[in-house]
Amino acid sequence: SQELEQSPQSLIVQEGKNLTINCTSSKTLYGLYWYKQKYGEGLIFLMMLQKGGEEKSHEKITAKLDEKKQQSSLHITASQPSHAGIYLCGAPRAGGGADGLTFGKGTHLIIQP
Amino acid sequence: EPEVTQTPSHQVTQMGQEVILRCVPISNHLYFYWYRQILGQKVEFLVSFYNNEISEKSEIFDDQFSVERPDGSNFTLKIRSTKLEDSAMYFCASSDGTAAITDTQYFGPGTRLTVL
Repeated sequence: SQELEQSPQSLIVQEGKNLTINCTSSKTLYGLYWYKQKYGEGLIFLMMLQKGGEEKSHEKITAKLDEKKQQSSLHITASQPSHAGIYLCGAPRAGGGADGLTFGKGTHLIIQP
Repeated sequence: EPEVTQTPSHQVTQMGQEVILRCVPISNHLYFYWYRQILGQKVEFLVSFYNNEISEKSEIFDDQFSVERPDGSNFTLKIRSTKLEDSAMYFCASSDGTAAITDTQYFGPGTRLTVL
């Protein structure tokens, strides 16, 4: 079964600084999803990557999928308090389509004023 | 913007009781999912549902669990005889099923189930 390893587990960053979160898969990724979760709440979809080398941006968040499709990174530029939360990477369990997702343990992001 | 809704937001039950968690997926979506997250742990897939039947289930989804789409809008998860270890946040998700390779799943806010 596919395992997703996220690093770091937690991150404390001063407001305005940049940061990067990584997600490494034990197998080739057919798709990689990034979600954000606030404590005790649901998952908010951020971005989905599919092709090797693909990069997507939304506001100050950029996600990349490496050429070999086994690692993804999420980069936040000029962090703000609204970026605080838990970032989760997820991938289809089997091969894609409408499969259930397997998730990493998450990266807890704290933004210090 | 359309969203997945779940009720109740919090359910407290006694061990051995049956509970039904309810979800209203996004209206034009075809695939529905349940996940759970035990406090401090990963989000775990339970089951996916398409065309009125289970399309995939995990090893967690044993005989005490069942899912149903009782009408055109609701999607339910039933736990027949709850155990202490069923205490978790349960998330419903839905996707439109149009992507051949990857299909974005949109999650509800969750139901926190506490089994005493």
